[in-house]
Amino acid sequence: DAGITQSPRHKVTETGTPVTLRCHQTENHRYMYWYRQDPGHGLRLIHYSYGVKDTDKGEVSDGYSVSRSKTEDFLLTLESATSSQTSVYFCAIREEGTVNQPQHFGDGTRLSIL
Amino acid sequence: AQSVAQPEDQVNVAEGNPLTVKCTYSVSGNPYLFWYVQYPNRGLQFLLKYITGDNLVKGSYGFEAEFNKSQTSFHLKKPSALVSDSALYFCAVRDMKNTDKLIFGTGTRLQVFP
Repeated sequence: DAGITQSPRHKVTETGTPVTLRCHQTENHRYMYWYRQDPGHGLRLIHYSYGVKDTDKGEVSDGYSVSRSKTEDFLLTLESATSSQTSVYFCAIREEGTVNQPQHFGDGTRLSIL
Repeated sequence: AQSVAQPEDQVNVAEGNPLTVKCTYSVSGNPYLFWYVQYPNRGLQFLLKYITGDNLVKGSYGFEAEFNKSQTSFHLKKPSALVSDSALYFCAVRDMKNTDKLIFGTGTRLQVFP
């Protein structure tokens, strides 16, 4: 398995509170991604990073921010959580090189916002 | 618009029978295609990819996929299904407007019955 650790694995919180999810990798890969998985939607990209301090938006970035201050860590923050952000969140990494390299995924964070 | 379609939400097959999970795509240019599998409470695992060359691609766990350019399809196949193949399968295509990204289908649940 790729060296990806997501924390926490489960979280329950209330609407309006800030939430930060962490993705940690031991592979020293350049690319890191945050997705959310919802029934009927598959995986949708929230944000991704192509290097330290280099990030870009995905298709569902509203309400989310990210930070990458070092290669191994990519943080996803919900500034003020809403019930629509209840989901399973996955981090992925990809090796630098050709775009043909597959992404490798962590085991996810199940987030419930009440 | 670029997209991936998995027309079947669920596929049921008896153990020992061949299985097919369907995927069609819509992108400009030559597609880069991927299949992933997801077991319960786990992240996505890479199965195989098509970049160029032979239209029949072999991957992990005895799976293979057939690329058909005229039908814009990339169906996942296995000659003899196992109960342990029961999982959620995702097809993905490289975003040709931003090759750092993947576009995922909505997933197909494969159920293999003993």
